[in-house]
Amino acid sequence: AQKITQTQPGMFVQEKEAVTLDCTYDTSDPSYGLFWYKQPSSGEMIFLIYQGSYDQQNATEGRYSLNFQKARKSANLVISASQLGDSAMYFCAMRELSYGNQFYFGTGTSLTVIP
Amino acid sequence: NAGVTQTPKFQVLKTGQSMTLQCAQDMNHNSMYWYRQDPGMGLRLIYYSASEGTTDKGEVPNGYNVSRLNKREFSLRLESAAPSQTSVYFCASQPGSSGNTIYFGEGSWLTVV
Repeated sequence: AQKITQTQPGMFVQEKEAVTLDCTYDTSDPSYGLFWYKQPSSGEMIFLIYQGSYDQQNATEGRYSLNFQKARKSANLVISASQLGDSAMYFCAMRELSYGNQFYFGTGTSLTVIP
Repeated sequence: NAGVTQTPKFQVLKTGQSMTLQCAQDMNHNSMYWYRQDPGMGLRLIYYSASEGTTDKGEVPNGYNVSRLNKREFSLRLESAAPSQTSVYFCASQPGSSGNTIYFGEGSWLTVV
């Protein structure tokens, strides 16, 4: 079974609008971390935001927030006030803390911001 | 601020040739990883090293070998390159304590013809 599922291969959003990128995960480990990364066309991987499985509040980092719904095993990324520079691939990832130190990645969502 | 450095950045190989991708990190991290990235497949783990002296297979280890030379360096070797190994390869490192993100190198573009 896939550890991380991103069902949106491509998304479009109007500049200055908000957009939600979906991510669901599968784990039996009670201790895990969830991450989002941005990969612009230049290829580097940029860390955006982190959510721990025991965190009570949703993580926020500037215009990024993580909508964490533990019972549904979802960790959606919300980008508010989209900018042209947000056009990139976005990857959701999970780390299982009890089962070694592997990071699992989804297949990614390509976001295009339209002026 | 070197972070994670991997070499070479670009390489073209002929089928059957061998090569080694080098990776070094200067952040004193315990864990290091090698991923490959293919269109529509995301990042798939090839091998990882949770700490110096240990290595473990990831999701797609066939055709690859690794060496954790010391705490800083983690190399990936292709013994007999195949066209299916054409990909972008990322090395990454992570402190080993909970919650910390994984830090990536800039990627190595490998083409096997």
